[in-house]
Amino acid sequence: ELKVEQNPLFLSMQEGKNYTIYCNYSTTSDRLYWYRQDPGKSLESLFVLLSNGAVKQEGRLMASLDTKARLSTLHITAAVHDLSATYFCAVERHMRFGAGTRLTVKP
Amino acid sequence: DTGVSQNPRHKITKRGQNVTFRCDPISEHNRLYWYRQTLGQGPEFLTYFQNEAQLEKSRLLSDRFSAERPKGSFSTLEIQRTEQGDSAMYLCASSSLGRTATNEKLFFGSGTQLSVL
Repeated sequence: ELKVEQNPLFLSMQEGKNYTIYCNYSTTSDRLYWYRQDPGKSLESLFVLLSNGAVKQEGRLMASLDTKARLSTLHITAAVHDLSATYFCAVERHMRFGAGTRLTVKP
Repeated sequence: DTGVSQNPRHKITKRGQNVTFRCDPISEHNRLYWYRQTLGQGPEFLTYFQNEAQLEKSRLLSDRFSAERPKGSFSTLEIQRTEQGDSAMYLCASSSLGRTATNEKLFFGSGTQLSVL
């Protein structure tokens, strides 16, 4: 059965710092998705990565996909407080989600 | 288009009672998903429809759970003989079968928070 693992599960960073969140999955998939969830809210789509080597960037977030390694990364550049949220990756087959990375950005 | 709508937002019930939730997807979306989410966890896949056909149901889902999408539009999720372990946020999401990245994104509703006492 497909397993989706994210790490770290909790991340506390200072504003202005860079960090990377990792998403590993256990079976072949060509598509990977990243979502954001704010406390008490539903999920919001961030990126859809459709093929090996895909890279998408929006603002301070950049996502990439390596289907051969079954790995996706979400890189945060110069973090700001507004990025504090939980980030989930999800793998194609009926959107199996990872456990999420709870990010807190401190001043 | 008002997005994915779920009702009710909150439901409190006593153990052993039956509950039903409704999801109205985005109108042109032919795929509909139900997930369950507990605090601090990622959404757990429950079931998935393409139009009116239920194509997959999680093996983890007990037979107390049933979902329908009779006309390929709105969907209902029923839980019979609720247990305290059923307490969670139940999320509905929809998407469109298509070739573009935008179409394949899931759009989530705000969820129904179930509390079983």
